[in-house]
Amino acid sequence: EVQLLESGGGLVQPGGSLRLSCAASGFTFSSSAMTWVRQAPGKGLEWVSTITGSAATTYYADSVKGRFTILRDNSKNTLYLQMDSLRAEDTALYYCVRPRGSGGKYFFDSWGQGTLVTVSS
Amino acid sequence: DIQLTQSPSFLSASVGDRVTITCRASQGISSYLAWYQQKPGKAPNLLIYAASTLQSGVPSRFSGSGSGTEFTLTISSLQPEDFATYFCQQLDSYPPTFGPGTKVDIK
Repeated sequence: EVQLLESGGGLVQPGGSLRLSCAASGFTFSSSAMTWVRQAPGKGLEWVSTITGSAATTYYADSVKGRFTILRDNSKNTLYLQMDSLRAEDTALYYCVRPRGSGGKYFFDSWGQGTLVTVSS
Repeated sequence: DIQLTQSPSFLSASVGDRVTITCRASQGISSYLAWYQQKPGKAPNLLIYAASTLQSGVPSRFSGSGSGTEFTLTISSLQPEDFATYFCQQLDSYPPTFGPGTKVDIK
């Protein structure tokens, strides 16, 4: 069974930094692309970033490009999201997601429970 | 970016009703569309991918159809556990985008 367990969320001031982690199990982590999707309170879903299995390629939403960095440690089966220069509009529940598909065309078949990031002074 | 719209935004229905939700894309996306169900306080759950392929474990009362720019999610006989919000997602091109959601509530 695929399990994705996020951690690292919390309250941070605007301009601050936070690093989210996602511990994965139940599948061959190093062979799978991984993704972060966020959901602002009471709002819809927004794709944030995807990293390929080898970490050779990363993709970012325009809204976070240059501020967020997606990383992975395949030896630890762990995905990360380094978030810098945080803004109020980054406040959201951040989901770690395992995508399925190929050729960069992914849908999302396994989701963690999410970790809440609140950016406020 | 490819924009997705969903209609209706809100739907009030009774147990046993047939329910149809529409998702429209701002440009053609072939069959690169997925549907998700989200219940309050829970993560989204994949229902359908490739526009019409039912995810393993999802009840057969859920079905999807469409291609190009117009897609539908149908629940043939609404059950109490189906009251939730439904999102579509396109995976044809980056960035992947989601529709705004359709909330299905109890009449």
